[in-house]
Amino acid sequence: AQSVTQLGSHVSVSEGALVLLRCNYSSSVPPYLFWYVQYPNQGLQLLLKYTSAATLVKGINGFEAEFKKSETSFHLTKPSAHMSDAAEYFCAFNSGGFKTIFGAGTRLFVKA
Amino acid sequence: DGGITQSPKYLFRKEGQNVTLSCEQNLNHDAMYWYRQDPGQGLRLIYYSQIVNDFQKGDIAEGYSVSREKKESFPLTVTSAQKNPTAFYLCASSIRETGNTEAFFGQGTRLTVV
Repeated sequence: AQSVTQLGSHVSVSEGALVLLRCNYSSSVPPYLFWYVQYPNQGLQLLLKYTSAATLVKGINGFEAEFKKSETSFHLTKPSAHMSDAAEYFCAFNSGGFKTIFGAGTRLFVKA
Repeated sequence: DGGITQSPKYLFRKEGQNVTLSCEQNLNHDAMYWYRQDPGQGLRLIYYSQIVNDFQKGDIAEGYSVSREKKESFPLTVTSAQKNPTAFYLCASSIRETGNTEAFFGQGTRLTVV
């Protein structure tokens, strides 16, 4: 069965520290993978997406993610956290059809 | 500006009432979706529509209904049959079938049963 797992429902980092949000997927077919960000009481906004062109994907706001087929992972990173990065982040998977499967989300807290 | 507009932002429903959530897009997208978001559960698909006058049930369609009479509009009705409707509802659209194309989301409607 296809699934997406985000490790850690909450992650806390200090301002200026590395951000690492983990995402693993399970699929028997090549995946399309996405990271979305959601600020409180708002919709989701695309950060970046993997569509097989390049394994290292750069997104908005300094975020990037690396697709590792051998590890079935698509972890999201940012070298230096900013207070404005505090939000909920969702990893999502699609195998080519209409259904996109979303992870449960990881809430990122940034400490001053 | 192109985008997706959901209204109202907040909605209160009494027990036994039907309520309709509005979703309009001016992105000229063919596909539209409704998701329900509950804390710690991510997004769950309620209904989706690929073209006008066609829609399909998602994973949690019971107690909900939709229509797609116009390309721009995809309203969701939460019926009295939905026993636990309090949640955050998100409408989204994409150019065609999702695949490698991302979804664009509205700002959401928070529904509360009173």
